[in-house]
Amino acid sequence: DAGVTQSPTHLIKTRGQQVTLRCSPKSGHDTVSWYQQALGQGPQFIFQYYEEEERQRGNFPDRFSGHQFPNYSSELNVNALLLGDSALYLCASSPAGSSYEQYFGPGTRLTVT
Amino acid sequence: AQRVTQPEKLLSVFKGAPVELKCNYSYSGSPELFWYVQYSRQRLQLLLRHISRESIKGFTADLNKGETSFHLKKPFAQEEDSAMYYCALHHNAGNMLTFGGGTRLMVKP
Repeated sequence: DAGVTQSPTHLIKTRGQQVTLRCSPKSGHDTVSWYQQALGQGPQFIFQYYEEEERQRGNFPDRFSGHQFPNYSSELNVNALLLGDSALYLCASSPAGSSYEQYFGPGTRLTVT
Repeated sequence: AQRVTQPEKLLSVFKGAPVELKCNYSYSGSPELFWYVQYSRQRLQLLLRHISRESIKGFTADLNKGETSFHLKKPFAQEEDSAMYYCALHHNAGNMLTFGGGTRLMVKP
C-alpha cells in the first residue's frame, strides 16, 4: 500500500487562474480531509469528504471546493487564485468512525505568481 | 473558539538532554489531543494521542486540563528526534483537526 498519494507534486499558476489538486486515500479509508499549510505555519483545515459529500468545512471561502468520487479519491479545486493561496496542500485520509486517525499525503506545493 | 498554541518556533538541545515541547489549547468541550511529527523529507505522521497514554519513541505527553496544556516530553533526546512537531486538537463535533504552528526540534551531537 502506497499510502495516501497526491498529484501533482508541484504546481505554478498565475493569479486569477483555477487549479485542481488530486488525492487518493490509503487503502481501506473512506474519509478524505484537505489542509492548507502556509510557509512556517501549521496545517489549516479546509474541508472533509465522506460518502461523496462535504461533511465539514473550515474557514475558507467558496473559491475552495472539492469532490469525492465513488472510489473515495478526492479533488480540491481553487478558483480565482490569489497570491495568498500559495501553500502546501495536504490531503489526509482516515477510516470511517475514526477521523482523528488521519494519514497524510506528501502534499502538493502550489505557487501563485 | 478552539485554538492550539505552540509558543516555541525552534527548540535546540544537545543529545542526551531532556526535551519539553510546549502545547496549550483552548476548547470548550472535552478535548482529544495529539502530537504529529514530520521528519525531514517525510510526510506528517501521528506520534501519539493522549487517550492511549502510551510512550512512542520515548516520548510521552500528559493532558493537563487545569492548565489546558499537552506538553510533549522526552528524558534523553536523540539526534534522530530532530523534526517538526505539531500539536493538534480533534473536534468531536466537527471531525477535523486544529493544528498549532509547530516547533522545530534540533538535537545537536
